[in-house]
Amino acid sequence: ETGVTQTPRHLVMGMTNKKSLKCEQHLGHNAMYWYKQSAKKPLELMFVYSLEERVENNSVPSRFSPECPNSSHLFLHLHTLQPEDSALYLCASSQDGQGDGNTIYFGEGSWLTVV
Amino acid sequence: AQSVTQLDSHVSVSEGTPVLLRCNYSSSYSPSLFWYVQHPNKGLQLLLKYTSAATLVKGINGFEAEFKKSETSFHLTKPSAHMSDAAEYFCVVSDLGNQFYFGTGTSLTVIP
Repeated sequence: ETGVTQTPRHLVMGMTNKKSLKCEQHLGHNAMYWYKQSAKKPLELMFVYSLEERVENNSVPSRFSPECPNSSHLFLHLHTLQPEDSALYLCASSQDGQGDGNTIYFGEGSWLTVV
Repeated sequence: AQSVTQLDSHVSVSEGTPVLLRCNYSSSYSPSLFWYVQHPNKGLQLLLKYTSAATLVKGINGFEAEFKKSETSFHLTKPSAHMSDAAEYFCVVSDLGNQFYFGTGTSLTVIP
């Protein structure tokens, strides 16, 4: 148990569906992240929120829409996805400005299959 | 700029023999360095981290890593591999703030 909880763990959706991935962290951190992990590809940073403000968006397509209502919760809204979006989506959190070295903690991931 | 290179994409060892997973980094600052492990269908779990204290860092499950500034390396070792060590391992470097740079991963196979 890492203190970062993701739901659902598995999701199958059609290309015209709208769904959301949810992440909750119980670590008191002030930064949260979405990463995409595809087979045989490096981990891709999608979004970073620090103090509930989006600070990085690595040119992610608009069919992915993040939401961070507070420092403990992060959502990834999915709309009209493509089959190549099928991947493991990992949520993570960290504490900015931590004196002993910022450490990032991951959830178990949400497996997304787009059909 | 920060970057991480994991020198081996696959490593295969026999059970009970030593494990060496290699990582080199570049960083403009005094970096924090981490190793994570990912078992199949799981998220990334922190194994150990270096944050400018002792250069030899001990982690969970018998793993350790040594920070060598002169070689810009942070290799992960374990004296004796166990079947449960079979997984993907990621080396990560972080500068100040919330920037993390991931290696491409090393897949460890443990042969019975």
